[in-house]
Amino acid sequence: EIVLTQSPGTLSLSPGERAIFSCRASQSVTSSYLAWYQQKPGQAPRLLIYGASSRATGIPDRFSGSGSGTDFTLTISRLEPEDFAVYYCQQYGNSPRTFGQGTKVEIK
Amino acid sequence: EVQVLESGGGLVQPGGSLRLSCAASGFTFSTNAMSWVRQAPGKGLEWVSVISGSGGRTDYADSVKGRFSISRDNSKNMVYLQMSSLRTEDTAIYYCAKDRGISGTWQYFFDPWGQGTLVTVSS
Repeated sequence: EIVLTQSPGTLSLSPGERAIFSCRASQSVTSSYLAWYQQKPGQAPRLLIYGASSRATGIPDRFSGSGSGTDFTLTISRLEPEDFAVYYCQQYGNSPRTFGQGTKVEIK
Repeated sequence: EVQVLESGGGLVQPGGSLRLSCAASGFTFSTNAMSWVRQAPGKGLEWVSVISGSGGRTDYADSVKGRFSISRDNSKNMVYLQMSSLRTEDTAIYYCAKDRGISGTWQYFFDPWGQGTLVTVSS
């Protein structure tokens, strides 16, 4: 099973700042099959990025993903008030599909 | 609009059973795999089970294998999760999600997700 480790656990930032999330895999993720989700309190997760760098439909271009192999990054170029949430990475190249433990972005 | 909607959660005693349902709409249901993903209170996400579009193939997380069973009714656009021998550690919000990715493999991400249904296992 591929273990995904996200860092940091919590990011304290202000609106307008850049947010950078890291997701590191315990072994290489097949074909960069890595997705990112956003989850707000009391809501279901929402797909942001798939294939490491492809934005899902309706996702603003301030969200971008990059990486390959074992190291992946999600970047929010300028934080909007609605972006304060928890972010999860997920690999889907190997079975079982696994998630990282999440990174929370809180208002500084 | 693609939508999935779960139902059937509730309070059940350890060792008990419960069946969750998921109603899907807005896409060609029979050609899409569907998954269940759970989230324990205050915790992260855990994939639970997947079923192929035809229903002929299924897979389970080791934590539920032998206790949970996934099925679907393509005539009704429904997916089900039959849970038995429930344990306190099965307490979670259970999400139904449409799988997207390479058809014929299990290489899927989840989009969209339903709003979830809460299962509480407690005496």
